[in-house]
Amino acid sequence: DAMVIQNPRYQVTQFGKPVTLSCSQTLNHNVMYWYQQKSSQAPKLLFHYYDKDFNNEADTPDNFQSRRPNTSFCFLDIRSPGLGDAAMYLCATSRDASGGTDTQYFGPGTRLTVL
Amino acid sequence: GESVGLHLPTLSVQEGDNSIINCAYSNSASDYFIWYKQESGKGPQFIIDIRSNMDKRQGQRVTVLLNKTVKHLSLQIAATQPGDSAVYFCAEIRPLTGGGNKLTFGTGTQLKVEL
Repeated sequence: DAMVIQNPRYQVTQFGKPVTLSCSQTLNHNVMYWYQQKSSQAPKLLFHYYDKDFNNEADTPDNFQSRRPNTSFCFLDIRSPGLGDAAMYLCATSRDASGGTDTQYFGPGTRLTVL
Repeated sequence: GESVGLHLPTLSVQEGDNSIINCAYSNSASDYFIWYKQESGKGPQFIIDIRSNMDKRQGQRVTVLLNKTVKHLSLQIAATQPGDSAVYFCAEIRPLTGGGNKLTFGTGTQLKVEL
């Protein structure tokens, strides 16, 4: 089945130790998104890629970076995780063939713990 | 500013009863909405969507109603089952310049199904 896959599902890192989260998709969608979701809150968009074009949200901290080496994969890099970065990180994709209103499909998320 | 908000943070219903989850939005230009279901520890899952040229849309056991006059939409779940227990988010979807779209989520409603 076509899907959005995130690895790992659970990630533990130490304060200040860089960490990379992975997302892959078999949907062949040209848009990929990264969201941060803290406990009991709605997902918050960090940035997205339209093909290879990177689009950062204005309030996304510089500590968060992303890479998209090809259509299928997208990575979220947290350069120096702080305790406040502990959250669920969600990857989503959309096809963007209907004037920009195609449904976003989410992966299962990676739960990040910062010690 | 724009916002999409929910009236009730928690809704408890008896198994077999109908559930109604409400959502208000503030931007009268909003024209496309999605309801997502998020089970504990999982990513949001698309349930149903509706565009502003519609007042009602039905899916399997779910119905979304849109009242543009009062900027309100609701998700109705018929014959609620234990598997419906989750957090439900309404979201406005808007195209982004350069491709892709942006979801503006409401705060979420926790639906609890009591046996």
